[in-house]
Amino acid sequence: QKEVEQDPGPLSVPEGAIVSLNCTYSNSAFQYFMWYRQYSRKGPELLMYTYSSGNKEDGRFTAQVDKSSKYISLFIRDSQPSDSATYLCAMRFYTGGFKTIFGAGTRLFVKA
Amino acid sequence: EAGVTQFPSHSVIEKGQTVTLRCDPISGHDNLYWYRRVMGKEIKFLLHFVKESKQDESGMPNNRFLAERTGGTYSTLKVQPAELEDSGVYFCASSPGLAGGPPDTQYFGPGTRLTVL
Repeated sequence: QKEVEQDPGPLSVPEGAIVSLNCTYSNSAFQYFMWYRQYSRKGPELLMYTYSSGNKEDGRFTAQVDKSSKYISLFIRDSQPSDSATYLCAMRFYTGGFKTIFGAGTRLFVKA
Repeated sequence: EAGVTQFPSHSVIEKGQTVTLRCDPISGHDNLYWYRRVMGKEIKFLLHFVKESKQDESGMPNNRFLAERTGGTYSTLKVQPAELEDSGVYFCASSPGLAGGPPDTQYFGPGTRLTVL
């Protein structure tokens, strides 16, 4: 079983829709929960990170963590064609040094 | 401020050959990471430098991979000899903060796409 599971999609939505992206994980040692956005032929770019269960909002983006269910989500409100990218969840934990474990990424297409 | 740069952007080699990938981190960043993404799989950690020292190389797949970071500036990742399963995208990332810790933001380069035939 993978430590982080993420549906690869693709996910296609119309412009203006609310997008929900999700990951589940199995390792209770994960401390930080992150979302990266990756455009084609580019490297991942950190969007948001959270530490505790609950919600964190940044503009049109909301990150949600439920540690009891080992489930994290990223919501995008009023989605735009420029949001079309691959979204990767990632978890960070300490094991003699900090390690980052990535999900496989979900490809999102926002249609104009 | 220049971002993380990687060279080459794409490399096609034959099995058994040697390839060297280069990463130039953001100036002043002590932490440098190498990751790899094999087709259809998730990005996986390879190793972490703090300045010129290897902090963690637990993700290196085998001894055909050799990473160096001379003088704590740029880094190279050499694959010798390359095998078919080494194909993938190799990302480099750098960060300024304490080694590890809360997500001191890692800035990723665009990656080097390696194809081994």
